[in-house]
Amino acid sequence: GAVVSQHPSWVICKSGTSVKIECRSLDFQATTMFWYRQFPKQSLMLMATSNEGSKATYEQGVEKDKFLINHASLTLSTLTVTSAHPEDSSFYICSARSPAGGQTQYFGPGTRLLVL
Amino acid sequence: AQTVTQSQPEMSVQEAETVTLSCTYDTSESNYYLFWYKQPPSRQMILVIRQEAYKQQNATENRFSVNFQKAAKSFSLKISDSQLGDTAMYFCALEDTGNQFYFGTGTSLTVIP
Repeated sequence: GAVVSQHPSWVICKSGTSVKIECRSLDFQATTMFWYRQFPKQSLMLMATSNEGSKATYEQGVEKDKFLINHASLTLSTLTVTSAHPEDSSFYICSARSPAGGQTQYFGPGTRLLVL
Repeated sequence: AQTVTQSQPEMSVQEAETVTLSCTYDTSESNYYLFWYKQPPSRQMILVIRQEAYKQQNATENRFSVNFQKAAKSFSLKISDSQLGDTAMYFCALEDTGNQFYFGTGTSLTVIP
């Protein structure tokens, strides 16, 4: 149980285009999902907390107009990178908190984004 | 704010041996959760073990166990009978009462055959 999926796992896009990444909790309902960014050989950096039915809470320094987060249902949150730039190239990971797992966050497999 | 510190960027261990990864943290809260996550080369984050701060008993999960010293704010992970599949980055994390997660910088563990 407590499986989180992400789609796509890998995406290449041209500079200036938008990319949408989906995060799904497959076997549980998640009122809260999280989006992280991870650079090579570094730790996870929290970008935003996504709450179902309300606006996401962004961490300091994260542009909310550039990284659009939508949490329209209890099993789906999306991250849209708008007007992508090469420095947006990174590994993006989502996680969801399972009610049955207490405070435990379960992570998706991640999405590698390369902006050319 | 809470902080999590992992002072060992890299470690190695011989297969079948035991290794301990250290983690210290700082928080002013009395109730919180501590976690160890594993990130293998696939980069999928996998929960290894969790510990509630109000529980004195150290958590164990098969070959993985923790040494939780609340007063010292220490939360080390012991891996017994190390296996090649244990090779990965290991992250220590703390979740506070505001549900905010704080990750350490990670320890890269290599199991040598």
